Amino acid sequence: LAKTTQPISMDSYEGQEVNITCSHNNIATNDYITWYQQFPSQGPRFIIQGYKTKVTNEVASLFIPADRKSSTLSLPRVSLSDTAVYYCLVGDWTGGFKTIFGAGTRLFVKA
Amino acid sequence: ETGVTQSPTHLIKTRGQQVTLRCSSQSGHNTVSWYQQALGQGPQFIFQYYREEENGRGNFPPRFSGLQFPNYSSELNVNALELDDSALYLCASSLGTGPQNEQFFGPGTRLTVL
Repeated sequence: LAKTTQPISMDSYEGQEVNITCSHNNIATNDYITWYQQFPSQGPRFIIQGYKTKVTNEVASLFIPADRKSSTLSLPRVSLSDTAVYYCLVGDWTGGFKTIFGAGTRLFVKA
Repeated sequence: ETGVTQSPTHLIKTRGQQVTLRCSSQSGHNTVSWYQQALGQGPQFIFQYYREEENGRGNFPPRFSGLQFPNYSSELNVNALELDDSALYLCASSLGTGPQNEQFFGPGTRLTVL
């Protein structure tokens, strides 16, 4: 059964780079790793997705090592508005398809 | 704004009752997934519908059921409500099945079971 593990919480200061790592030891060969951001009382919002190596978009970078058993979301120069919960997501095809969200990492950005 | 809408916003029910939650997917999206999110936890996958058929299901009992309509909107039905069903229910639409497809989430329906 696919499962993801993330740190429960992280603190940072404005302007710093934040790296959040997710462990997904049982990731399927054909699966992607996706990260979502969630603010209180809102649905999660897509940040970035990757299969292997490095992916970068306008808000984040995603680093995936060759064995794909973990991934690291990198947020450059965070601001107060980046205070949120960050989830990594993988798929699971055991007994039929399902998606697996981690428990999430609560990032608190301080001034 | 993702274009995914859910109704109602909030709902209060008593134990044993039945509830129906509704979701309108983003235009052009043929896949809808439903999630339950308890307070302080990550979303838990309930099931996914693709072109009106259930495509996958999480670890939820049969009293959780769903429908998808020809316009790809969807309903989540929960029978015999229990106190532990109190949660935020999220729906997400996507262009296809599988986690490689970006999911667009609605704002959720907050269900309270007394």
